[in-house]
Order: sequence, then C-alpha cells, then structure tokens
Amino acid sequence: AQSVAQPEDQVNVAEGNPLTVKCTYSVSGNPYLFWYVQYPNRGLQFLLKYITGDNLVKGSYGFEAEFNKSQTSFHLKKPSALVSDSALYFCAVILNNNDMRFGAGTRLTVKP
Amino acid sequence: NAGVTQTPKFRVLKTGQSMTLLCAQDMNHEYMYWYRQDPGMGLRLIHYSVGEGTTAKGEVPDGYNVSRLKKQNFLLGLESAAPSQTSVYFCASSVLAGAYEQYFGPGTRLTVT
Repeated sequence: AQSVAQPEDQVNVAEGNPLTVKCTYSVSGNPYLFWYVQYPNRGLQFLLKYITGDNLVKGSYGFEAEFNKSQTSFHLKKPSALVSDSALYFCAVILNNNDMRFGAGTRLTVKP
Repeated sequence: NAGVTQTPKFRVLKTGQSMTLLCAQDMNHEYMYWYRQDPGMGLRLIHYSVGEGTTAKGEVPDGYNVSRLKKQNFLLGLESAAPSQTSVYFCASSVLAGAYEQYFGPGTRLTVT
C-alpha cells in the first residue's frame, strides 16, 4: 500500500544538538512529501514540502529535509535543537487521488 | 484573519446520538478535508471536497457524512455515534490539491460513551 512510515515513536535530543526525525515513503511515481508539526492541543502546522527540484528543502523555524530517492526517505533535520521544538511531527505524502496519507507521528523531546 | 475554525471544540455524545461538526475557512480555498486523529495512527482522511457542492470519500468514510453547500463551510455529520468514533477531528483546507500544503483547524475532541 502507498504510504509513509515514521520508524521512531520518540526522539530525544539535548538542546543545541542536531536533530533528525526519520520518514520513509512507499509511493509509485514521483511523490509529493510534506512535514507538519503539532503542538499540544493545536492543529497541525505546515513546515516544509518536497515537490521537485533540489533534494534539500528548507522550511520554517530552521528546519530542513532531504529527499533521497534511492533510499525512499525524507528525513527532517535541524542543526541545533531548541526546547521549543518539542512537539509531535508528522510526515505525509499526497497520493494520485489527492488523498494525503500521514505517518503515525514522532514525538520529539528536546531537553535543556 | 481567522484561517480555519471548528465548532464545537469539545463534545460528549451517547451511543446512537447524532451531531454535526462545522468547519469554516476564510481563505477562499477550493479544497477542504476532514480527518480523525487517533493515538499511534496519525491522521486519517474521512471525506474531502474539491469545491462547493462536491464531496468524496477518503480512507475511513464509514459512519460519517459530509456536505459542502457553501465554499467556505464543510460539515461533518455523525448520524448514529459509536464509541469507535471517539477521536479528535481536524478540518483542513488548501488552495488546490497535490503540491499545496493544508491549513488545519484547532480540532474537535469528541467522546462517545
């Protein structure tokens, strides 16, 4: 089935260290990939997307993601984590029928 | 600019009761969506609409109905609520589908007892 997978339920990093939140996809054709963030009791907020072009995509709040076609991955990264980055992160892919499929989410905790 | 708003924020229903969730957007977006969020499962698409007067089924449509009588509003109905419909419901909208990001409302927490 066409989908995305987030292999880690939880990621813990220390403030100031680099962070990576992993996402892999299984989609036929060229995927449209997205990252969203959800803070407690809030709706999802768009971070960044890959449609075409450069494999390294830059987004909001200093986040970036690298599209890797050979590894079918779209990992979210940030060079220096902040405590305020602690939230739930979702990877998503658009399917051919305009259906957006989300991963199960990864809870990022940044400790001071 | 309110963006996407949802009414109500919380609701408790008894099994068999009905209710309607209202989503409104003021961004003149063509596409609107209803999702449910359950722990460990991410968001799953219930129904969506590609424009006024049109609706389509998503991944988990059973037990729900929708209507888009006005471009800015997208209603989600539960005709006979079941405990399995206990969830947090999110509405979203986008300019178009495909490459366009979605804008989400704050959510409605529904409990069915």
